[in-house]
Amino acid sequence: DQQVKQNSPSLSVQEGRISILNCDYTNSMFDYFLWYKKYPAEGPTFLISISSIKDKNEDGRFTVFLNKSAKHLSLHIVPSQPGDSAVYFCAATGVFFGNEKLTFGTGTRLTIIP
Amino acid sequence: NAGVTQTPKFQVLKTGQSMTLQCAQDMNHNSMYWYRQDPGMGLRLIYYSASEGTTDKGEVPNGYNVSRLNKREFSLRLESAAPSQTSVYFCFTQGRYHSPLHFGNGTRLTVT
Repeated sequence: DQQVKQNSPSLSVQEGRISILNCDYTNSMFDYFLWYKKYPAEGPTFLISISSIKDKNEDGRFTVFLNKSAKHLSLHIVPSQPGDSAVYFCAATGVFFGNEKLTFGTGTRLTIIP
Repeated sequence: NAGVTQTPKFQVLKTGQSMTLQCAQDMNHNSMYWYRQDPGMGLRLIYYSASEGTTDKGEVPNGYNVSRLNKREFSLRLESAAPSQTSVYFCFTQGRYHSPLHFGNGTRLTVT
Protein backbone atom coordinates (compact mmCIF):
# COMPACT_ATOMS: atom_id res chain seq x y z
CA ASP A 1 0.00 0.00 0.00
CA GLN A 2 1.88 3.02 -1.31
CA GLN A 3 0.68 5.92 0.81
CA VAL A 4 2.85 8.45 -1.00
CA LYS A 5 2.95 8.23 -4.77
CA GLN A 6 5.01 9.90 -7.42
CA ASN A 7 3.38 8.70 -10.58
CA SER A 8 6.00 10.04 -12.97
CA PRO A 9 9.20 8.00 -12.73
CA SER A 10 10.99 10.45 -15.01
CA LEU A 11 10.70 13.96 -16.37
CA SER A 12 12.75 15.91 -18.90
CA VAL A 13 12.70 19.71 -18.99
CA GLN A 14 14.55 22.26 -21.06
CA GLU A 15 17.04 24.42 -19.20
CA GLY A 16 15.49 27.70 -18.13
CA ARG A 17 11.94 26.35 -18.16
CA ILE A 18 9.80 25.33 -15.19
CA SER A 19 10.05 21.84 -13.76
CA ILE A 20 6.96 20.56 -11.97
CA LEU A 21 7.20 17.41 -9.91
CA ASN A 22 4.04 15.92 -8.49
CA CYS A 23 3.25 13.85 -5.44
CA ASP A 24 -0.03 12.37 -4.18
CA TYR A 25 -0.78 10.91 -0.78
CA THR A 26 -3.62 8.87 0.60
CA ASN A 27 -3.33 9.20 4.38
CA SER A 28 -5.20 12.24 5.68
CA MET A 29 -3.19 12.05 8.93
CA PHE A 30 -0.08 13.34 7.18
CA ASP A 31 0.48 16.96 8.16
CA TYR A 32 4.03 17.70 7.12
CA PHE A 33 5.65 17.18 3.74
CA LEU A 34 9.21 17.37 2.54
CA TRP A 35 11.10 17.18 -0.74
CA TYR A 36 14.53 15.60 -1.03
CA LYS A 37 16.94 15.61 -3.93
CA LYS A 38 19.32 12.76 -4.59
CA TYR A 39 22.38 12.53 -6.81
CA PRO A 40 23.83 9.13 -7.74
CA ALA A 41 26.04 7.56 -5.06
CA GLU A 42 25.01 10.19 -2.50
CA GLY A 43 22.43 10.32 0.23
CA PRO A 44 19.35 12.47 -0.32
CA THR A 45 19.58 16.12 0.70
CA PHE A 46 16.73 18.18 2.04
CA LEU A 47 15.23 20.75 -0.33
CA ILE A 48 12.07 22.27 1.07
CA SER A 49 9.16 21.42 3.33
CA ILE A 50 5.60 22.50 3.96
CA SER A 51 3.23 22.17 6.86
CA SER A 52 -0.43 21.38 6.29
CA ILE A 53 -1.40 24.76 7.71
CA LYS A 54 0.07 26.36 4.59
CA ASP A 55 -0.63 25.90 0.92
CA LYS A 56 2.62 27.32 -0.42
CA ASN A 57 6.22 27.60 0.67
CA GLU A 58 8.95 29.24 -1.36
CA ASP A 59 12.73 29.10 -1.13
CA GLY A 60 14.64 30.68 -3.97
CA ARG A 61 13.98 28.78 -7.16
CA PHE A 62 11.97 26.12 -5.33
CA THR A 63 8.30 26.39 -4.43
CA VAL A 64 6.15 23.67 -2.94
CA PHE A 65 2.37 23.80 -3.26
CA LEU A 66 0.01 21.78 -1.13
CA ASN A 67 -3.61 21.03 -2.00
CA LYS A 68 -5.02 19.27 1.05
CA SER A 69 -8.43 18.58 -0.41
CA ALA A 70 -6.85 16.79 -3.34
CA LYS A 71 -4.10 15.24 -1.19
CA HIS A 72 -1.61 16.52 -3.70
CA LEU A 73 1.62 18.45 -3.52
CA SER A 74 3.94 19.68 -6.19
CA LEU A 75 7.45 21.04 -6.39
CA HIS A 76 8.15 23.82 -8.89
CA ILE A 77 11.68 24.66 -9.93
CA VAL A 78 12.06 27.91 -11.83
CA PRO A 79 14.23 28.37 -13.79
CA SER A 80 15.51 24.84 -14.18
CA GLN A 81 19.27 24.43 -14.28
CA PRO A 82 21.50 21.50 -15.34
CA GLY A 83 22.52 20.97 -11.72
CA ASP A 84 18.91 20.21 -10.90
CA SER A 85 19.17 16.89 -12.73
CA ALA A 86 18.66 14.35 -9.96
CA VAL A 87 16.07 12.06 -8.41
CA TYR A 88 13.49 13.88 -6.31
CA PHE A 89 11.62 12.20 -3.47
CA CYS A 90 8.61 13.59 -1.69
CA ALA A 91 8.02 12.45 1.87
CA ALA A 92 5.22 12.78 4.36
CA THR A 93 4.80 12.46 8.09
CA GLY A 94 2.58 13.65 10.92
CA VAL A 95 2.15 13.90 14.66
CA PHE A 96 -0.02 10.81 14.46
CA PHE A 97 3.08 8.82 13.56
CA GLY A 98 4.76 9.52 16.87
CA ASN A 99 8.41 9.31 16.12
CA GLU A 100 7.97 11.00 12.78
CA LYS A 101 8.55 8.05 10.56
CA LEU A 102 8.76 9.46 7.10
CA THR A 103 6.92 7.78 4.27
CA PHE A 104 8.65 8.35 0.98
CA GLY A 105 7.40 8.34 -2.57
CA THR A 106 9.12 6.25 -5.23
CA GLY A 107 11.00 9.19 -6.71
CA THR A 108 11.02 11.09 -10.00
CA ARG A 109 14.17 11.34 -12.06
CA LEU A 110 14.46 14.88 -13.41
CA THR A 111 16.70 15.52 -16.38
CA ILE A 112 17.41 19.09 -17.41
CA ILE A 113 18.26 19.39 -21.08
CA PRO A 114 20.82 22.11 -21.86
CA ASN B 1 26.14 14.83 4.27
CA ALA B 2 28.66 15.83 6.86
CA GLY B 3 27.94 14.40 10.28
CA VAL B 4 26.52 10.99 9.29
CA THR B 5 29.00 8.29 8.34
CA GLN B 6 28.03 4.92 6.95
CA THR B 7 30.37 1.99 6.53
CA PRO B 8 31.04 0.11 4.39
CA LYS B 9 30.20 1.90 1.14
CA PHE B 10 29.97 -1.34 -0.84
CA GLN B 11 29.58 -4.98 0.14
CA VAL B 12 29.02 -8.24 -1.69
CA LEU B 13 27.73 -11.18 0.33
CA LYS B 14 26.83 -14.74 -0.45
CA THR B 15 23.43 -16.04 0.57
CA GLY B 16 23.50 -17.01 4.22
CA GLN B 17 26.41 -14.81 5.23
CA SER B 18 26.02 -12.22 7.93
CA MET B 19 27.21 -8.65 8.21
CA THR B 20 26.65 -5.43 10.11
CA LEU B 21 26.16 -2.03 8.53
CA GLN B 22 27.46 0.76 10.70
CA CYS B 23 26.12 4.28 11.07
CA ALA B 24 27.65 6.97 13.23
CA GLN B 25 26.62 10.58 13.71
CA ASP B 26 28.29 13.48 15.46
CA MET B 27 25.31 15.84 15.51
CA ASN B 28 23.95 14.74 18.87
CA HIS B 29 20.62 13.80 17.29
CA ASN B 30 18.22 11.56 19.15
CA SER B 31 16.47 9.93 16.21
CA MET B 32 18.20 7.57 13.83
CA TYR B 33 16.71 5.51 11.03
CA TRP B 34 17.64 2.78 8.58
CA TYR B 35 15.99 2.82 5.17
CA ARG B 36 16.51 0.80 2.04
CA GLN B 37 16.10 2.13 -1.46
CA ASP B 38 14.97 -0.15 -4.26
CA PRO B 39 14.02 0.71 -7.84
CA GLY B 40 10.33 1.52 -8.11
CA MET B 41 9.86 1.19 -4.36
CA GLY B 42 11.25 4.45 -3.07
CA LEU B 43 12.77 4.60 0.38
CA ARG B 44 11.32 2.14 2.88
CA LEU B 45 11.86 2.21 6.62
CA ILE B 46 13.51 -0.86 8.12
CA TYR B 47 14.02 0.18 11.75
CA TYR B 48 14.25 3.39 13.67
CA SER B 49 15.48 4.52 17.04
CA ALA B 50 13.95 7.47 18.85
CA SER B 51 16.71 7.55 21.43
CA GLU B 52 19.61 5.62 22.86
CA GLY B 53 18.53 2.16 23.91
CA THR B 54 15.20 2.17 22.07
CA THR B 55 14.40 0.68 18.68
CA ASP B 56 11.21 0.03 16.75
CA LYS B 57 10.28 -1.82 13.60
CA GLY B 58 9.48 0.05 10.45
CA GLU B 59 7.81 -1.04 7.26
CA VAL B 60 10.20 -3.84 6.20
CA PRO B 61 12.00 -5.20 9.30
CA ASN B 62 12.08 -8.91 8.43
CA GLY B 63 15.58 -10.31 8.09
CA TYR B 64 17.19 -7.43 9.98
CA ASN B 65 18.18 -6.57 13.52
CA VAL B 66 19.41 -3.26 14.91
CA SER B 67 21.34 -2.01 17.86
CA ARG B 68 21.46 1.47 19.42
CA LEU B 69 23.93 1.09 22.26
CA ASN B 70 24.75 4.78 22.43
CA LYS B 71 23.46 8.05 21.03
CA ARG B 72 26.06 8.21 18.31
CA GLU B 73 25.78 4.80 16.65
CA PHE B 74 22.97 2.79 15.10
CA SER B 75 23.91 -0.50 13.46
CA LEU B 76 21.91 -2.73 11.14
CA ARG B 77 22.63 -6.45 11.09
CA LEU B 78 21.78 -9.07 8.53
CA GLU B 79 22.06 -12.45 10.25
CA SER B 80 21.57 -14.55 7.13
CA ALA B 81 21.66 -12.52 3.96
CA ALA B 82 19.21 -13.23 1.15
CA PRO B 83 19.20 -12.00 -2.46
CA SER B 84 16.05 -9.99 -1.65
CA GLN B 85 18.21 -7.86 0.61
CA THR B 86 20.22 -6.59 -2.31
CA SER B 87 19.64 -2.87 -2.03
CA VAL B 88 21.10 0.49 -1.15
CA TYR B 89 20.87 1.19 2.56
CA PHE B 90 20.70 4.67 4.02
CA CYS B 91 21.10 5.76 7.60
CA PHE B 92 19.35 9.00 8.65
CA THR B 93 19.43 11.11 11.73
CA GLN B 94 17.03 13.80 12.87
CA GLY B 95 17.26 16.51 15.45
CA ARG B 96 14.25 18.41 16.70
CA TYR B 97 10.69 17.73 15.65
CA HIS B 98 10.04 18.31 11.96
CA SER B 99 13.63 19.14 11.21
CA PRO B 100 15.02 17.67 8.00
CA LEU B 101 16.74 14.36 8.05
CA HIS B 102 20.49 14.12 7.63
CA PHE B 103 21.55 11.22 5.46
CA GLY B 104 24.65 9.11 5.16
CA ASN B 105 25.95 8.41 1.68
CA GLY B 106 24.57 4.92 1.59
CA THR B 107 25.80 1.33 1.55
CA ARG B 108 25.32 -0.63 -1.65
CA LEU B 109 24.81 -4.27 -0.74
CA THR B 110 24.67 -7.13 -3.22
CA VAL B 111 23.70 -10.62 -2.09
CA THR B 112 24.45 -13.38 -4.58
